[in-house]
Amino acid sequence: QVQLQESGPGLVKPSQTLSLTCAVSGLSINRGGYYWTWIRHHPGKGLEWIGYIYYSGNTYYNPSLKSRVSISLDTSKNQFSLILNSVTAADTAVYFCARSSTSWDFDYWGQGTLVSVSS
Amino acid sequence: QSALTQPRSVSGSPGQSVTISCTGTISDVGAYNYVSWYQYHPGKAPKLMIYDVSKRPLGVPDRFSGSKSGNTASLTISGLQAEDEADYFCCSYAGSYTSLFGGGTKLTVL
Repeated sequence: QVQLQESGPGLVKPSQTLSLTCAVSGLSINRGGYYWTWIRHHPGKGLEWIGYIYYSGNTYYNPSLKSRVSISLDTSKNQFSLILNSVTAADTAVYFCARSSTSWDFDYWGQGTLVSVSS
Repeated sequence: QSALTQPRSVSGSPGQSVTISCTGTISDVGAYNYVSWYQYHPGKAPKLMIYDVSKRPLGVPDRFSGSKSGNTASLTISGLQAEDEADYFCCSYAGSYTSLFGGGTKLTVL
């Protein structure tokens, strides 16, 4: 059974960098054909696709976040990471990691981790 | 890219049917048959309920069905059960390896 688990600081100061990790179990992230994805849920609003990294290392980002975001793989730890620079209060959200085999639907998700941006 | 439009809330009584709409544009919902739906209980992992407009993953009851007409996709839940009460989000491929989600719909089972 594939499982994903997000981890990282729950509080980040404005202008600083948000850094989250998603640990994957039950499947090697090296295995071909999967897009490892970050998605966030702003309180009281909809979901927002942040971006994903293909098992080959190719990355694809939401155009509205592209200048501030980076996603990477750590195959030695079977995990992938999200970096979001220059955060503001608008980046306060529950951050989810997820897996996709198509790039357009997401079949396994983590439970999410709340990140608040505040001084 | 603007979020897909969903009603903020819908409700129905046990046993009834409800339909949740998801409206996009000719560049996303209207362009691709790659619409998916997710059930979300806050604090839990979202669950894929429908993919490719109308396909159900293994284990999803056939009470859940999806369809699309033009730029609008729909999720229909028939034979409503108390456990169906949740938030539902739609998602569409939007081209150039990007995806777009809806604003979410809160389903209340009366």
